Amino acid sequence: ILNVEQSPQSLHVQEGDSTNFTCSFPSSNFYALHWYRWETAKSPEALFVMTLNGDEKKKGRISATLNTKEGYSYLYIKGSQPEDSATYLCAFSPGNKLVFGAGTILRVKS
Amino acid sequence: DTGVSQDPRHKITKRGQNVTFRCDPISEHNRLYWYRQTLGQGPEFLTYFQNEAQLEKSRLLSDRFSAERPKGSFSTLEIQRTEQGDSAMYLCASRREGHTGGEQYFGPGTRLTVT
Repeated sequence: ILNVEQSPQSLHVQEGDSTNFTCSFPSSNFYALHWYRWETAKSPEALFVMTLNGDEKKKGRISATLNTKEGYSYLYIKGSQPEDSATYLCAFSPGNKLVFGAGTILRVKS
Repeated sequence: DTGVSQDPRHKITKRGQNVTFRCDPISEHNRLYWYRQTLGQGPEFLTYFQNEAQLEKSRLLSDRFSAERPKGSFSTLEIQRTEQGDSAMYLCASRREGHTGGEQYFGPGTRLTVT
């Protein structure tokens, strides 16, 4: 059984705070690790796809790192803004499908 | 906008009724996926197509569920004799065939409520 765990389950921060989330996944049969942002009433939006151990990716104030040997990825948001409020999902790809964690709900207060 | 579209966005039905959802993928994408998300959980894989061929089905897809992609373009997901446990968000995603780490593009989902 493939299990993807995300922590924390939810997070409330003040505008300007930096924050990070964790995703742990099986370290065997690894093809890729995906991060998505899902805002209410919208489509999940892909943030990053990472495939190589040690990968670091950045998009604006958001960045992610990947450790495939120990099976974890971190997502960082620098200087959180209210528009960052969303559910952040990570998904492990052992092949053709995605196996998702339950997500981290982020609420940024102004 | 040429993203993935789903119809309807919301569906309320009575237990025992049949429902059908539609997904229109991005036009050049030959892979199409269905996922289901229930409260407090992440999306769970249901099935996927490459062109018109259904290549994998999850154990979650009981006999009451059937998915088709007749011409390799849009897809439908039908649930027969709905049960309250079928209440969920049904998400469709598509991608172009390539390396297995490829990004999947999601639609906004169809939220099903079974009363």
